[in-house]
Amino acid sequence: DAGITQSPRYKITETGRQVTLMCHQTWSHSYMFWYRQDLGHGLRLIYYSAAADITDKGEVPDGYVVSRSKTENFPLTLESATRSQTSVYFCASTNRGGTEAFFGQGTRLTVV
Amino acid sequence: QKEVEQNSGPLSVPEGAIASLNCTYSDRGSQSFFWYRQYSGKSPELIMFIYSNGDKEDGRFTAQLNKASQYVSLLIRDSQPSDSATYLCAVNPFTGFQKLVFGTGTRLLVSP
Repeated sequence: DAGITQSPRYKITETGRQVTLMCHQTWSHSYMFWYRQDLGHGLRLIYYSAAADITDKGEVPDGYVVSRSKTENFPLTLESATRSQTSVYFCASTNRGGTEAFFGQGTRLTVV
Repeated sequence: QKEVEQNSGPLSVPEGAIASLNCTYSDRGSQSFFWYRQYSGKSPELIMFIYSNGDKEDGRFTAQLNKASQYVSLLIRDSQPSDSATYLCAVNPFTGFQKLVFGTGTRLLVSP
C-alpha cells in the first residue's frame, strides 16, 4: 500500500544521546519534509529535501541532521538530544507542486 | 513577523453555519496556498489548495485569495460537528524550490 510511515511512534531518550527518526514513503514524491509541532508554535520546518542528495535547512535546523540517499527515505537524526527537542515530529512528502501531500503518523519524542 | 499568521481561536460556530478562517502571509511572491485539517492527536491532512491566479470551491469548502491584502480564507459552508478540528494554513513562498511554511492553526468548534 502506498503511504508514508514514521518509526518509532513513541520514543523516550536521555539528554545527550543520539536518536534517529525514520521516514519512508511509497508515493515516489520528490519532496520530503521534517516538521516539529509544539504547542503555541504550530508546525515548524526543520529540514526539507527536493530529491535524493538534495537537502536544505528550514526554520529550526540546529541540533538536527538529515540525509536522503534514496528517494523513499528521509531519516532525521538528533545528534545530541536536548530537553528542548521534546516534541511531536512529523514527516511529510509532496509532489512538486504540493498539491498531493501526505503526513506520517508522527513520532512523539520525549527527552529526559 | 512570522511568514504565515493565523488567529489561534477557538472559532465557535453552530451546526449549519458558515465558518470563515483566515491567514495572512508575508511573502508577496508566494504562489500557492494550502489548507490542512488536523484532528486532535492526528497528523495534518490536505483539504484544499489554490494558486495565486484564483479561488477554488470543492464541495462545502471554498478557498479565496486576496493578493493585495496578502491573506487567504477558507469558508466552510453547512458546518458539521465533524468539522471541529484545527485548520492549518500553509504557503509555498518560493516559485522554484518548494518549502511549505505553516501558520500556527485556528481551532474550529462546531456545536450541534
